[in-house]
Amino acid sequence: DAGVTQSPTHLIKTRGQHVTLRCSPISGHKSVSWYQQVLGQGPQFIFQYYEKEERGRGNFPDRFSARQFPNYSSELNVNALLLGDSALYLCASSLDGGYNQPQHFGDGTRLSIL
Amino acid sequence: GDSVTQMEGPVTLSEEAFLTINCTYTATGYPSLFWYVQYPGEGLQLLLKATKADDKGSNKGFEATYRKETTSFHLEKGSVQVSDSAVYFCALSDRIQGAQKLVFGQGTRLTINP
Repeated sequence: DAGVTQSPTHLIKTRGQHVTLRCSPISGHKSVSWYQQVLGQGPQFIFQYYEKEERGRGNFPDRFSARQFPNYSSELNVNALLLGDSALYLCASSLDGGYNQPQHFGDGTRLSIL
Repeated sequence: GDSVTQMEGPVTLSEEAFLTINCTYTATGYPSLFWYVQYPGEGLQLLLKATKADDKGSNKGFEATYRKETTSFHLEKGSVQVSDSAVYFCALSDRIQGAQKLVFGQGTRLTINP
């Protein structure tokens, strides 16, 4: 079975632009979470979606938004890009986002802002 | 809020040496605990998990025991291989606004020399 897939793998943007990142969860998983990993640090939670609804949001500005589609895939959108948005963006899926469930990660999208 | 502290790296060992990577956590409840591994250029892979006190998670020769009295979840392996070289992240499961989020430590880079 395919794992979590993310696209694109790499992206280069300039300040002020916007970007859309995509994620397909493991088949049968209905919950998708997004994390930002800055170089040399652990991932930071951005949001979690379940059944197309946002369940929770971390400490990120409104420039960050996402949505989940009927097939449970998800898009992360970031507007008005800043240099500090340069990071690896990770998508993780789980069965239903339950508290004790492990989250399974994709390989990420590396976003570079010039 | 909940937090995770890992031993600082980098850690360099010789092949077949014994490995311990320390992890302690701060949490208001009794979270599930996880170890993830990240190989260069890849996302995070779930290595092992434990959901309650005194549980032992194990996988691929790695072990970690959930110690409530010391709020610890140290990762151990009896004999490391060159292929174990990677960054290891300890994480706990926390609730935020109805969502499950993972809270990660800063990661420990492990290098195994032949």
